[in-house]
Amino acid sequence: AQSVTQPDIHITVSEGASLELRCNYSYGATPYLFWYVQSPGQGLQLLLKYFSGDTLVQGIKGFEAEFKRSQSSFNLRKPSVHWSDAAEYFCASRGHDSGYSTLTFGKGTMLLVSP
Amino acid sequence: GAGVSQSPRYKVAKRGQDVALRCDPISGHVSLFWYQQALGQGPEFLTYFQNEAQLDKSGLPSDRFFAERPEGSVSTLKIQRTQQEDSAVYLCASSSGEVATDHEQYFGPGTRLTVT
Repeated sequence: AQSVTQPDIHITVSEGASLELRCNYSYGATPYLFWYVQSPGQGLQLLLKYFSGDTLVQGIKGFEAEFKRSQSSFNLRKPSVHWSDAAEYFCASRGHDSGYSTLTFGKGTMLLVSP
Repeated sequence: GAGVSQSPRYKVAKRGQDVALRCDPISGHVSLFWYQQALGQGPEFLTYFQNEAQLDKSGLPSDRFFAERPEGSVSTLKIQRTQQEDSAVYLCASSSGEVATDHEQYFGPGTRLTVT
């Protein structure tokens, strides 16, 4: 069975500082990987996704993530955090076996941005 | 509409009451998913529809949960005899193709259910 681990429940970053949110996945093969952001009262918005190919993927709002097969990781990064980035971030995986499969989410990391 | 909409946005139910949560997917989207997000947790899969067919209901926590999508567009998640452990945000998502393809899932804002 798939599982996704986000080891940090909360992270506080100063505005303008760099950010890295950790994500580890457990799956027999390379899954499809996603990062979503959820602001209060809002639905989940897709930041970026990895299916295959280049292991460094660029997303919206200046985010990027790097897939590392050897570490089973898909960490999210941003070089300079803005106050509007404060939200909850979810890493998710999806298998690509024949037939369908649904998203498996981590428990999320709450990002707090200090002035 | 421009995105996935859900109603009501908030629902308070007394324990034992039945509730119905509605999801309007993006027009033309074939696939529709329901997820349950408990406080402090990530969303967890409940059920999946491809058009009007419910292809997977393995995530429904009990037989008190029932979902339908009779015409392949709007979907309703019904919870009978609500219990306190049903308190959560219920998220609906839709995508344009079959799940086996790469199509992105678009999420609605969710319905926050509180059972008192």
